[in-house]
Amino acid sequence: GESVGLHLPTLSVQEGDNSIINCAYSNSASDYFIWYKQESGKGPQFIIDIRSNMDKRQGQRVTVLLNKTVKHLSLQIAATQPGDSAVYFCAEIFGGATNKLIFGTGTLLAVQP
Amino acid sequence: NAGVTQTPKFQVLKTGQSMTLQCAQDMNHNSMYWYRQDPGMGLRLIYYSASEGTTDKGEVPNGYNVSRLNKREFSLRLESAAPSQTSVYFCASSNSGTGRAFFGQGTRLTVV
Repeated sequence: GESVGLHLPTLSVQEGDNSIINCAYSNSASDYFIWYKQESGKGPQFIIDIRSNMDKRQGQRVTVLLNKTVKHLSLQIAATQPGDSAVYFCAEIFGGATNKLIFGTGTLLAVQP
Repeated sequence: NAGVTQTPKFQVLKTGQSMTLQCAQDMNHNSMYWYRQDPGMGLRLIYYSASEGTTDKGEVPNGYNVSRLNKREFSLRLESAAPSQTSVYFCASSNSGTGRAFFGQGTRLTVV
């Protein structure tokens, strides 16, 4: 089937700590896995993506890891800041001609000062 | 650039009324999407359009219709609104073959 889900609905971390947000997916045919950040009252904002043939990709303070063996995706945020407080969604895309983008249920990241 | 623009931002409908949500993007993207987001929930795909001239059902298409008017515009129509369609609606666009989608600011729809 086509589904993307998250293990943890809420994650609370101290400012300066590293955060890890996890996601499980079920569709092995996905071409891309993506992380989005959504702040209150706004639309989701792209953070980072990873192709299905990669294991790891790094951005600025963020790293995405893909484990295809167990169908698991994670987002690591280094030195978490108050501005990182938001809901984080994993998503997957089915490529080729369809480009169908499906979202998971989201994790609320709360950064404590 | 404006990115993805949705109109209106807010709307209140009575049960049974119809309306069309408008979406336009100025990034020359091929793919466009409509999602709904209920309070405290994730985004559910209603319809999407991989390219101009094509539309496909998403996860929750019942009660909605769409039109890909041209490459820039993708509209969502509610023919007979129901309270269950009270939600925030997001339009998005992306280039084909990438996961990087750009979202509008959303339309908050209440059906009473």
